[in-house]
Amino acid sequence: KAGVTQTPRYLIKTRGQQVTLSCSPISGHRSVSWYQQTPGQGLQFLFEYFSETQRNKGNFPGRFSGRQFSNSRSEMNVSTLELGDSALYLCASSWSSGANVLTFGAGSRLTVL
Amino acid sequence: GENVEQHPSTLSVQEGDSAVIKCTYSDSASNYFPWYKQELGKRPQLIIDIRSNVGEKKDQRIAVTLNKTAKHFSLHITETQPEDSAVYFCAASMGGGSYIPTFGRGTSLIVHP
Repeated sequence: KAGVTQTPRYLIKTRGQQVTLSCSPISGHRSVSWYQQTPGQGLQFLFEYFSETQRNKGNFPGRFSGRQFSNSRSEMNVSTLELGDSALYLCASSWSSGANVLTFGAGSRLTVL
Repeated sequence: GENVEQHPSTLSVQEGDSAVIKCTYSDSASNYFPWYKQELGKRPQLIIDIRSNVGEKKDQRIAVTLNKTAKHFSLHITETQPEDSAVYFCAASMGGGSYIPTFGRGTSLIVHP
């Protein structure tokens, strides 16, 4: 079966712009979580959605938001981009909000100029 | 919240040597400890995990040990090969609604031929 699909894979934006990233989970998986990965900082948790509801949220400013659709696809949005938002954004899916095993997508690499 | 410390940040070994990566966690309620491997330019993938009801788990050349009393767990790779070169992330999480794993900052393992 298809894995976790993220689009776009690469994008370049300028400061002040906004960006929307998309994640399609594995078929049957209802939980989608988002992570920001930067060198030396590991994987920083952004938020997790299950059945169209945000279940958990990390310590990121309100400029970072997300949503999940009825087909479990999820989007995350970053408004008023800053240089420090340059990172690899990974989403991961699992079959349930209580399940532990995560399957990651390939990520969306965002560069903010 | 949970805090996961991972050491070392970089580990360089010769092919055939063993490699050990150590992680400590802070929340005694954590009961699931996965390890993810991320090769350069690729997505993190689960390589092994352990739950709090066991002390050790092996899968071919890799093993994970858990010391609940001391709140630390380790990844052991024996007979390292160049294809083991990657960044390894440990994580700790609890079951139920707070399952979101907290990741360590990663260890870059370099295996020299």
